Amino acid sequence: EAGVTQFPSHSVIEKGQTVTLRCDPISGHDNLYWYRRVMGKEIKFLLHFVKESKQDESGMPNNRFLAERTGGTYSTLKVQPAELEDSGVYFCASSLIRGARNEQFFGPGTRLTVL
Amino acid sequence: GDSVTQMEGPVTLSEEAFLTINCTYTATGYPSLFWYVQYPGEGLQLLLKATKADDKGSNKGFEATYRKETTSFHLEKGSVQVSDSAVYFCALSASGSARQLTFGSGTQLTVLP
Repeated sequence: EAGVTQFPSHSVIEKGQTVTLRCDPISGHDNLYWYRRVMGKEIKFLLHFVKESKQDESGMPNNRFLAERTGGTYSTLKVQPAELEDSGVYFCASSLIRGARNEQFFGPGTRLTVL
Repeated sequence: GDSVTQMEGPVTLSEEAFLTINCTYTATGYPSLFWYVQYPGEGLQLLLKATKADDKGSNKGFEATYRKETTSFHLEKGSVQVSDSAVYFCALSASGSARQLTFGSGTQLTVLP
């Protein structure tokens, strides 16, 4: 069974540009999460989808970030326009609605560098 | 709100040394506790977990015990190997089956031969 995949693995863009990150969760996982690790600090929660619905987006830093999960399958996270402080590693995770208590499976992350 | 405080790194040990990485938490109710590991070039992997007080999670020679009285979940391994070199993250999930994870800042472990 394929794990959580993320694309691209690295992205280097200039301030003011737009970047779209993609996450493909494990097939059948209704929960999908986005997290971010900035500058070697703690990994912080951004938002949580249950199927196609946003369950919790309390961690989204501002309205330059837009997440979607059309059809309840893959998800995209768009940053527009990107700022220097958006640099970091963006992780996606997925989990079953039922099953091992909240075991989240993580993707390898997308390293975003904003110059 | 919930928070996790993790021992600052980096930590450098010789092979076969004893490892402890301290982790304490603040949370309401009865959270689940986790240790995740990130090997170089890879994503986060669940290392072990504990879902209630006094539970001991264990995997690959690593252990951690959920101590509610001290709000701690320290990671230990009796004899580390070079292959254990990685970043270790302590995390919690609030009561409920599908809640977000709250992470500590991560501890970089390097094991020298």
